[in-house]
Amino acid sequence: RKEVEQDPGPFNVPEGATVAFNCTYSNSASQSFFWYRQDCRKEPKLLMSVYSSGNEDGRFTAQLNRASQYISLLIRDSKLSDSATYLCVVGRSNDYKLSFGAGTTVTVRA
Amino acid sequence: DAGVIQSPRHEVTEMGQEVTLRCKPISGHNSLFWYRQTMMRGLELLIYFNNNVPIDDSGMPEDRFSAKMPNASFSTLKIQPSEPRDSAVYFCASSLAWAGGPFSYEQYFGPGTRLTVT
Repeated sequence: RKEVEQDPGPFNVPEGATVAFNCTYSNSASQSFFWYRQDCRKEPKLLMSVYSSGNEDGRFTAQLNRASQYISLLIRDSKLSDSATYLCVVGRSNDYKLSFGAGTTVTVRA
Repeated sequence: DAGVIQSPRHEVTEMGQEVTLRCKPISGHNSLFWYRQTMMRGLELLIYFNNNVPIDDSGMPEDRFSAKMPNASFSTLKIQPSEPRDSAVYFCASSLAWAGGPFSYEQYFGPGTRLTVT
């Protein structure tokens, strides 16, 4: 079983729509949670950290559910520039490694 | 501030040749990671260093792969001899990591080296 699992999508949404997707992680010892964004043929870039109480960064809202071991990302008022692959990333506290999900592809259309 | 720097950005080589990829981490970061990304396998961690010391190389696929970090500002990943199945994008990432901090593990990626072995 993969350590981080994501729905690959694609999620095709019109501009201005809200899109949300989850990922699940298998290691209950996980302590750090992030969403990264990767554009085609580019490197992954940190989008936001995910805090236990949930957090917002502009149009992006992340939630963490430790009991069910899943993380969610919600994008409001989607822009064309939000089209990308979103990687769910999980880290443990006993080493410096991060486990990356395979990514969820989002395409925002005009 | 300069981000993670990788060179070359593209490398095309013939099977059997030696390939050396280079990385300069963000100044002040103490951890460095080498990843490989393919469509089939996604992003895979190959090896990582902390304070220039290799900590975990369990992701290195074979003895043909080796990595070094002679100082805090430079690392290399070498493939010798290269094979067509090594074709991938190789990313270097760095972070400032210390125990006890839940948000201490953000990694910042370089632009990658796109390797093609024919």
